[in-house]
This record gives sequence, structure tokens and C-alpha cells, in this order.
Amino acid sequence: AQSVSQHNHHVILSEAASLELGCNYSYGGTVNLFWYVQYPGQHLQLLLKYFSGDPLVKGIKGFEAEFIKSKFSFNLRKPSVQWSDTAEYFCAVRPLDSSASKIIFGSGTRLSIRP
Amino acid sequence: EPEVTQTPSHQVTQMGQEVILRCVPISNHLYFYWYRQILGQKVEFLVSFYNNEISEKSEIFDDQFSVERPDGSNFTLKIRSTKLEDSAMYFCASRVRGTGANVLTFGAGSRLTVL
Repeated sequence: AQSVSQHNHHVILSEAASLELGCNYSYGGTVNLFWYVQYPGQHLQLLLKYFSGDPLVKGIKGFEAEFIKSKFSFNLRKPSVQWSDTAEYFCAVRPLDSSASKIIFGSGTRLSIRP
Repeated sequence: EPEVTQTPSHQVTQMGQEVILRCVPISNHLYFYWYRQILGQKVEFLVSFYNNEISEKSEIFDDQFSVERPDGSNFTLKIRSTKLEDSAMYFCASRVRGTGANVLTFGAGSRLTVL
């Protein structure tokens, strides 16, 4: 079955630290990849996406992610986090053989930033 | 920026009662989705809807669930006889067909509490 794995359930960092959140998926075909963010009490918002082309994609708020096809990974990075980055981060995959465009989410990583 | 709006934001109901959650997708979007997130767990796909019919549904979406687009603007999720385990945040999402079609826009969610 198709799945998305986020190995870090809770990450705690200090402000200005660098961030990397892991995401791996299990699907052998072509995929679209996403990172969504959910700030406390708010809805899911798209952080960045990969459809094709340059495997290093840049999103909002200084976030970027790198698609490594051979590793089935799409890790999220930010060089220097801020307190306002405290949120839940969800990696998501859309297998392109699905006509209904179902997106499959990972279990999420809670990021807590110490001021 | 266009939004997906959901009502109610929070509903408390007794076990066995029927619940209808409402969503107004973005006006030119053609694909509609319901996802749910049980507290502390991942976002799970429930159902996708296109051209006035269900295009895909998950194992969670059993006979107790139904969806409808009654008037061309609202997209509703009905739970016929709620169970305790239906307590969750329910997210509606929509997407447009064509370029950028694979990006879902999510609503703020409806929190359902079943007592």
C-alpha cells in the first residue's frame, strides 16, 4: 500500500537552529510531492510542492525541500528557524496513476521552537 | 485570495445522531475532497468527488458516510449515526482542473465532538 513516513514525531529546536524534517514515501511510480503546514488553531496551508524539474524546490517563509528519487525522499529544510515556525508539518504524496488525485499524508511532525 | 469555507467550526453531538458538515469550495474548482484528522493523528483521506459523483473513497468512508453537492455551491458530508470514534477535525478541500490542478486548497476544518 502507498504510504508516507515522517520519522520525527516531535522536533524541538532553538531559534536560529537549522531544520531538516524527513519524509519518505513508498510508491514506485511518478508522484507529486507536497509539504503542508498547520499553525496552532489554523488550517492546512501549502508550504511548497514538487511536480517536475529542479528537485530542489523553494517555498514560502524560507523553506525548501529536495526530492531525491533514488531514496524516495522529500526532506524539508530551513537554514534558520524562527519562533513563528512552531507548527505541525505534513509531508504528502499524490501518485499520478490516481485519476481522483487523492493525496496521501504522513503522520506529521510537530515542530516546537524555543525562543 | 479565494478560500474554502466550512461550517460549523465546531459541533458537539450525541452518539447516534446525524451530523451534516458543510463546505463551500472555491467557485471555479471542480474536484472536492473530505479528509479527517483525529486528535494527534495523521490527516486521513475520506472521499473525493467530481462531476456529481464519488470518484474514490477510503475504507473509513463506510455506509454511515455520504456526500452531496445539493445546489452547485455547497459540498456536504453527512454522518448518519455518529460514533465516539467519529470525533475528529474534518477538512474539506478543493482543486481546479488543469495547470496546477494537483494543489488542494483546504478549509479551516470543522471539529466534531461525539459524546
